[in-house]
Amino acid sequence: AQSVAQPEDQVNVAEGNPLTVKCTYSVSGNPYLFWYVQYPNRGLQFLLKYITGDNLVKGSYGFEAEFNKSQTSFHLKKPSALVSDSALYFCAVRRQMEYGNKLVFGAGTILRVKS
Amino acid sequence: DAGVIQSPRHEVTEMGQEVTLRCKPISGHNSLFWYRQTMMRGLELLIYFNNNVPIDDSGMPEDRFSAKMPNASFSTLKIQPSEPRDSAVYFCASSQGLAGRSDTQYFGPGTRLTVL
Repeated sequence: AQSVAQPEDQVNVAEGNPLTVKCTYSVSGNPYLFWYVQYPNRGLQFLLKYITGDNLVKGSYGFEAEFNKSQTSFHLKKPSALVSDSALYFCAVRRQMEYGNKLVFGAGTILRVKS
Repeated sequence: DAGVIQSPRHEVTEMGQEVTLRCKPISGHNSLFWYRQTMMRGLELLIYFNNNVPIDDSGMPEDRFSAKMPNASFSTLKIQPSEPRDSAVYFCASSQGLAGRSDTQYFGPGTRLTVL
């Protein structure tokens, strides 16, 4: 069954430094992968997705993610972190069902960017 | 589009009372999802609908929880009777469903439920 894992509960990075939030997946077939961000007291916001094509996917707020089939990873990255990037980040994978698909989310990773 | 709309945004009630949470999905979306988020359990999928039909309710914790989707633009999640352990943030999300290519879900702002 499709699943994702986020190995880090929290990532700390200094403002201006590059950031990486890790995600690995377990999927039979071609994966549909997603990243969402949740700011305090807000709903989850869609950042980006990978379906097929270019392994480097660009999304909102300057984020990008790299799909790596050999390592079964889909890490979220940003070249220069901002304090405002501090939030909870979720990786997700689509699980196909007979009558309707759903997303399976990871446990989430807290990103803290310090000035 | 206004996005996914949830009401109320905050609900405080006493144990034993009935609670009804409401959701209006994005127009044209065929799938609707109810999630619950707590510190202890993280984000949990409770139930989802496709074309107004419940597809998977295996995440509904107990018979005290029920959900309906009488039409394409409205869904409710009801808890009766409510208990303190039901305190959480409840999110509704919608997607294009099988009609869409990627199943991207769009979330509402959530309802913060506190059961005293």
